[in-house]
Amino acid sequence: EDQVTQSPEALRLQEGESSSLNCSYTVSGLRGLFWYRQDPGKGPEFLFTLYSAGEEKEKERLKATLTKKESFLHITAPKPEDSATYLCAVQGSTDSWGKLQFGAGTQVVVTP
Amino acid sequence: ETGVTQTPRHLVMGMTNKKSLKCEQHLGHNAMYWYKQSAKKPLELMFVYNFKEQTENNSVPSRFSPECPNSSHLFLHLHTLQPEDSALYLCASSHSGTGDEKLFFGSGTQLSVL
Repeated sequence: EDQVTQSPEALRLQEGESSSLNCSYTVSGLRGLFWYRQDPGKGPEFLFTLYSAGEEKEKERLKATLTKKESFLHITAPKPEDSATYLCAVQGSTDSWGKLQFGAGTQVVVTP
Repeated sequence: ETGVTQTPRHLVMGMTNKKSLKCEQHLGHNAMYWYKQSAKKPLELMFVYNFKEQTENNSVPSRFSPECPNSSHLFLHLHTLQPEDSALYLCASSHSGTGDEKLFFGSGTQLSVL
């Protein structure tokens, strides 16, 4: 069974203070690892898909990396608007299409 | 309108009521999903519809009944719910089977069962 563990549960950062979020996973044949951002009262918003170890993707102040056991979401020089809950999800090769296993998320608060 | 639209945004219901949640996607996707999000817990997949056919029922109690009349609309019919069913119910859509399984979510319906 696919499992996803995210750490830390919550992270408080000063504006400009870079940090990383961790997503550890176990899956039978990784088909894809996904990062989402969720603001309060809204649904998750897609950020990245990573498919194989060594892959990296960037979007503004966010950079996602992938190894065979975990993924990191690096936040460089964060701004208050980066405050959100960041969700990680995996899809294994034996999972039916669209069936993702989500982690519980990391709540990030960036203060001015 | 664009994206995935869910109505209502908030719903309060008693345990004996019957209500329905509605979802509509304007993205031309072929797959639609219902997810449940409880506080401090991971999103849980409930149902998957692919080209209007239900392809996944993740051991969901029968008090939740999905309906997918076409690829753009998805409903979740609720009856005799329990207080523990209170949660955020999220609808999502995707281009299933293309190798690009990213989901597009609506804003959800926040359900409270009294």
